[in-house]
Amino acid sequence: DIQMTQSPSSLSASVGDRVTITCRASQSISTYLNWYQHRPGKAPKLLIYAASSLQSGVPSRFSGSGSGTDFTLTISSLQPEDFATYYCQQSYTTSLTFGGGTKVEIK
Amino acid sequence: EVHLVESGGGLVQPGRSLRLSCAASGFRFDDFAMHWVRQAPGKGLEWVSGITSDSGSIGYVDSVKGRFTISRDNAKNSLYLQMNSLRAEDTAFYYCAKDMGRSSWYSFDYWGQGTLVTVSS
Repeated sequence: DIQMTQSPSSLSASVGDRVTITCRASQSISTYLNWYQHRPGKAPKLLIYAASSLQSGVPSRFSGSGSGTDFTLTISSLQPEDFATYYCQQSYTTSLTFGGGTKVEIK
Repeated sequence: EVHLVESGGGLVQPGRSLRLSCAASGFRFDDFAMHWVRQAPGKGLEWVSGITSDSGSIGYVDSVKGRFTISRDNAKNSLYLQMNSLRAEDTAFYYCAKDMGRSSWYSFDYWGQGTLVTVSS
């Protein structure tokens, strides 16, 4: 199976900060990479698919980049509702795998 | 509007069985692949199983192979997960998720609220 490694595992940031989360795959996955936001008690939400395509209805402050093994999720200006855990997920193989998650907390 | 509603969770003893259901509405159910994803207490998300729109292709995470069976009834707009020989490590919230694709697996664009499965004696 393809292993997905996210860093950092957690971070503290303030409203208005620029936040970057990275995700590394154990082998090349082209751009078969998706990003999700998960708030406690809520259903997870798709933010970015195919590495850089913004899901409909998701604010433009969210962006994704990368290909091959290295990917990035960027929040350009952190908002109060963005404090959550973020996961990357690969769909290059039919054995789908998630990264371990990055918890974004209020500084 | 897309709605996915899971049911069937609960407390079950190790070694017993449980069947989860997911009722779908707001989209053409038979046009999309579907999945089950779980989150154990204090842990991250884990894909459990997926099924293509026509049930022609099915997959499982290694830890549930031979114990769990995914199925769907397109006439009833429903997805199922039959879970046998349950173990303590299967304790988790189980989410039903819709795929963006039909005959392959891409990303989960809609999720249900989840149903809690607790395996304990």
